[in-house]
Amino acid sequence: EVQLLESGGGLVQPGGSLRLSCAASGFTFSNYALSWVRQAPGKGLEWVSTISYTGATTFYADSVKGRFTISRDTSQSTLYLEMSSLRADDTAVYYCAKGGLVYITTSSLDHWGQGTLVTVSS
Amino acid sequence: QAVLTQPSSLSASPGASASLTCTLRSGINVVTYRIYWYQQKPGSPPQYLLSYKSDSDKEQGSGVPSRFSGSKDASANAGILLISGLQSEDEADYYCMMWYSSAWVFGGGTKLTVL
Repeated sequence: EVQLLESGGGLVQPGGSLRLSCAASGFTFSNYALSWVRQAPGKGLEWVSTISYTGATTFYADSVKGRFTISRDTSQSTLYLEMSSLRADDTAVYYCAKGGLVYITTSSLDHWGQGTLVTVSS
Repeated sequence: QAVLTQPSSLSASPGASASLTCTLRSGINVVTYRIYWYQQKPGSPPQYLLSYKSDSDKEQGSGVPSRFSGSKDASANAGILLISGLQSEDEADYYCMMWYSSAWVFGGGTKLTVL
């Protein structure tokens, strides 16, 4: 059974930094692209970032480019999102999601974690 | 103008069918793209339902009932999620998604009420 468990969320001041983690199990971690998607309270889904199965290719939403960094550690089967220069509008539940097809970066996001809440406020 | 536009809400009766639309911005041809659909219930993460590019190129999510199906309306430049035999548990938010210009793009979501 595929499982994705996010952690690292919490309250952070504007301008601060935070690192999110997503521990994966139940599939061959090194074979799938992974993504972060966020959802502000009461709002819709917003894609944040995607990393290819090798980690060599990354994509970012314009809203986070230059402030967020996605990475993965195959030895730990863990996905990361380093967030800096955080703003109030980064407040959201952050979900990690697994790609649907082996090796394909742009396949469905077929499994999602339960999410971790990031609140940016003074 | 947003890349993907969804009506904010839709109501339908139990047992009826509901057609949820996802309209692509003018200049982006729906025929070219695979449209993905997700269901999200309050307090839960989104769940993958299906994807549709053409009748010969489509995918049903694991465990998703066949009463959920995808299609396109090329004349309206839209992807469609059809839910037949509506049940109370189908009441949820539904999002469309596509890969466009090196980014995943979501529609704003449609809140489906079954009453």
